[in-house]
Amino acid sequence: AQTVTQSQPEMSVQEAETVTLSCTYDTSESNYYLFWYKQPPSRQMILVIRQEAYKQQNATENRFSVNFQKAAKSFSLKISDSQLGDTAMYFCAFMKERRRNDYKLSFGAGTTVTVRA
Amino acid sequence: EAQVTQNPRYLITVTGKKLTVTCSQNMNHEYMSWYRQDPGLGLRQIYYSMNVEVTDKGDVPEGYKVSRKEKRNFPLILESPSPNQTSLYFCASSSTIRDRGETQYFGPGTRLLVL
Repeated sequence: AQTVTQSQPEMSVQEAETVTLSCTYDTSESNYYLFWYKQPPSRQMILVIRQEAYKQQNATENRFSVNFQKAAKSFSLKISDSQLGDTAMYFCAFMKERRRNDYKLSFGAGTTVTVRA
Repeated sequence: EAQVTQNPRYLITVTGKKLTVTCSQNMNHEYMSWYRQDPGLGLRQIYYSMNVEVTDKGDVPEGYKVSRKEKRNFPLILESPSPNQTSLYFCASSSTIRDRGETQYFGPGTRLLVL
């Protein structure tokens, strides 16, 4: 079974500053997918960014970027130029390469990010 | 608009009173899944379905049932709810087409309180 660990329960950042959230995972798979989901106070799950393990290049989406270290099984999320609307819980999630009947997302416990004005 | 809907959004019930949480998607997705979210545990999969009439257990299936009679609907049934099923529930769906289906789309969540 895959495990996903987010070691930072809470983080606080000043508006316009940068914050980095850590995520490590454990797997014996060679190909897989990694995701960061954002959950604002509305509780909606919003996909922030995704990374395919077979791609060397780190994914970026506007102010959000990842540092994917496959050998270290690490997948950190960097939020640049933090905005008040970034205040949310962030979940790291893992999915094996899809085959047969295994499409499950395995989630970490989440990191609550608070952006201060 | 492509979306996953859930009803009800909030529900307070008592122990033992059967309830159903509905989930519907309009994206013609084959795969649908239910998760529960609890503090400190993230989201955990309850049941999933690969297509109509095909369902299977996830990591925490005890106390839940599902059915998939139509492609768009995937209801979650609690036959005899207990307080330990108080949680936030999410339905999700995705395509099974490679390079298009790795992203799962989530419903807005259903907050359930069992007294």
